[in-house]
Amino acid sequence: GIQVEQSPPDLILQEGANSTLRCNFSDSVNNLQWFHQNPWGQLINLFYIPSGTKQNGRLSATTVATERYSLLYISSSQTTDSGVYFCAVDAGGGADGLTFGKGTHLIIQP
Amino acid sequence: GAVVSQHPSWVICKSGTSVKIECRSLDFQATTMFWYRQFPKQSLMLMATSNEGSKATYEQGVEKDKFLINHASLTLSTLTVTSAHPEDSSFYICSARDGLMNTEAFFGQGTRLTVV
Repeated sequence: GIQVEQSPPDLILQEGANSTLRCNFSDSVNNLQWFHQNPWGQLINLFYIPSGTKQNGRLSATTVATERYSLLYISSSQTTDSGVYFCAVDAGGGADGLTFGKGTHLIIQP
Repeated sequence: GAVVSQHPSWVICKSGTSVKIECRSLDFQATTMFWYRQFPKQSLMLMATSNEGSKATYEQGVEKDKFLINHASLTLSTLTVTSAHPEDSSFYICSARDGLMNTEAFFGQGTRLTVV
């Protein structure tokens, strides 16, 4: 099956800093999503981005499908950005579930 | 975005009993729903795909007789953990897509199961 690797596994930053999270995947994908898992476990949808670039406030994401990677950018980090960020992909169609990376654990210190 | 609701949010049960978890798509119909499991400090792993009106398909290593899935309508899928044991304690979370192909997946709030 498809492999998803995220880096770095852990990241500690000061409030106000910028960060870049990376997701590499081993095969062509039809779906790629970025999530933020909050302390209660809920997955918050950040981006649905199988290709191209999107921005939402302080967050933006870019997926280069031909090179099999995606980047999530967080600018001007806030303590509320802390948590685990997951990249997940689907190599099939809508009938397939997502394959998740192991996540990046982000801690933003005040 | 589409809303997926999961119930209960947490449950504690005794070893040997069964627990049912519900997953509903509130504002769309979902012919397919997905069930994932997450152990502490680990990633989410797909357990099974729930298909409306037909049998669920299970990932390798997931016991279909222990994790019973029923997808009785286009808005409801249930996961029943039968004869639960402490090693079944985990975070279970469901997902659905609003649409047929290549559309965004939305997740329920998750259910934290503790078997004592």
